[in-house]
Amino acid sequence: QSVLTQPPSASGTPGQRVTISCSGSSSNIGSNTVDWYQQLPGTAPKLLIYSNNQRPSGVPDRFSGSKSGTSASLAISGLQSEDEADYYCEAWDDSLNGWVFGGGTKLTVL
Amino acid sequence: QLQLQESGPGLVKPSETLSLTCTVSGGSISSSSYYWAWVRQPPGKGLEWIGSMYYSGGTYHNPSLKSRVTIFVDTSKKQFSLKLSSVTAADTAVYYCASLEYSNRWYFRYWGQGTLVTVFS
Repeated sequence: QSVLTQPPSASGTPGQRVTISCSGSSSNIGSNTVDWYQQLPGTAPKLLIYSNNQRPSGVPDRFSGSKSGTSASLAISGLQSEDEADYYCEAWDDSLNGWVFGGGTKLTVL
Repeated sequence: QLQLQESGPGLVKPSETLSLTCTVSGGSISSSSYYWAWVRQPPGKGLEWIGSMYYSGGTYHNPSLKSRVTIFVDTSKKQFSLKLSSVTAADTAVYYCASLEYSNRWYFRYWGQGTLVTVFS
């Protein structure tokens, strides 16, 4: 059972916009920033979004992040087949005094 | 940009200690700009943070693993290491080392490719 809750799966067709949610509590998302990671099949996770809505260099602007209260969302617009991957949210937890991850969402491009 | 590479045995026997090393290149392991971390992923499951260490010695450990985890930095070798004691089959996972950078909060910026460790008698 992960501290941060994500839907196990999501799907969309090419060109569509999809969102992935991440729900937490006042001790993590509610008081700290959220980061998102993309894990392509058989590879290591890669930073996608940091500090709620910042993109590292090289990440397309099709990817965007937002946070409100104790929840966060990752949005992918103009969905492409290469976006098929697992996506994880992460935040610092003040109660656990450590980093916590969501359980991951498997995105399928139909 | 930083590059990280894990190394260590791929097989560990139950009750023994898992030992992994991460070699850092492209940046200084002694820099105040980085935290160093270990994250693992059991087969078919999600990511689990194990622990993190600052170059000057400050450490954080996952409470669920805390008593079994040791993380230390060897600046002369540009490496940081993980020791996980008394392993069981539940510790079978791909182990990643990662570097953290800071923007309002620390986040996992760069990751190693990962190394599979199987606990098997």
